[in-house]
Amino acid sequence: AQSVAQPEDQVNVAEGNPLTVKCTYSVSGNPYLFWYVQYPNRGLQFLLKYITGDNLVKGSYGFEAEFNKSQTSFHLKKPSALVSDSALYFCAVSRLHSGGYQKVTFGTGTKLQVIP
Amino acid sequence: DGGITQSPKYLFRKEGQNVTLSCEQNLNHDAMYWYRQDPGQGLRLIYYSQIVNDFQKGDIAEGYSVSREKKESFPLTVTSAQKNPTAFYLCASSIGGSGGPETQYFGPGTRLLVL
Repeated sequence: AQSVAQPEDQVNVAEGNPLTVKCTYSVSGNPYLFWYVQYPNRGLQFLLKYITGDNLVKGSYGFEAEFNKSQTSFHLKKPSALVSDSALYFCAVSRLHSGGYQKVTFGTGTKLQVIP
Repeated sequence: DGGITQSPKYLFRKEGQNVTLSCEQNLNHDAMYWYRQDPGQGLRLIYYSQIVNDFQKGDIAEGYSVSREKKESFPLTVTSAQKNPTAFYLCASSIGGSGGPETQYFGPGTRLLVL
């Protein structure tokens, strides 16, 4: 079984301040982890992913995420928040099953509100 | 302009009616997926297809059906057996068969409402 937890339904941050959106995961074997962003009434857009290697992953729009194996976490970060970053953020974990099927489990999402 | 298109943007269903949501991709991807999004529940997998003429049930397939007759198309039918169909439906695709974790590319979604 695999699961993702996003403990905060909403995160508020002032424009220009650093932001963190939290994610913890549970999966057997090596984790493959993703962050996606969703703007209102739109589909999800890929931000970044962790497969292996460097624990700090850099992605689109200045976002990065830190993989911590001991804490089973994959928190999303950005040094300086923009109002345009306001959106719904999803963490996801992926595992390959027999037959080559990639099962992806999404978290419940965290709404990020950047205050001008 | 490459990507995934979904139509219609809004769809209204009457009691006892079957409705079909369209999903088309021109990314030449083998794998396609249908998700249902409800507030506070994240995305839940309805069906997936790894290749043409093959598809598998996801976590919440009851009341839904799909077909995959062409590589670029993966329509979803919401049948009258689905008692609570009101949701935002998202179609996605990935390259498929890479043997590794694949980024999924999402369409803009269809919002289904019950009259």
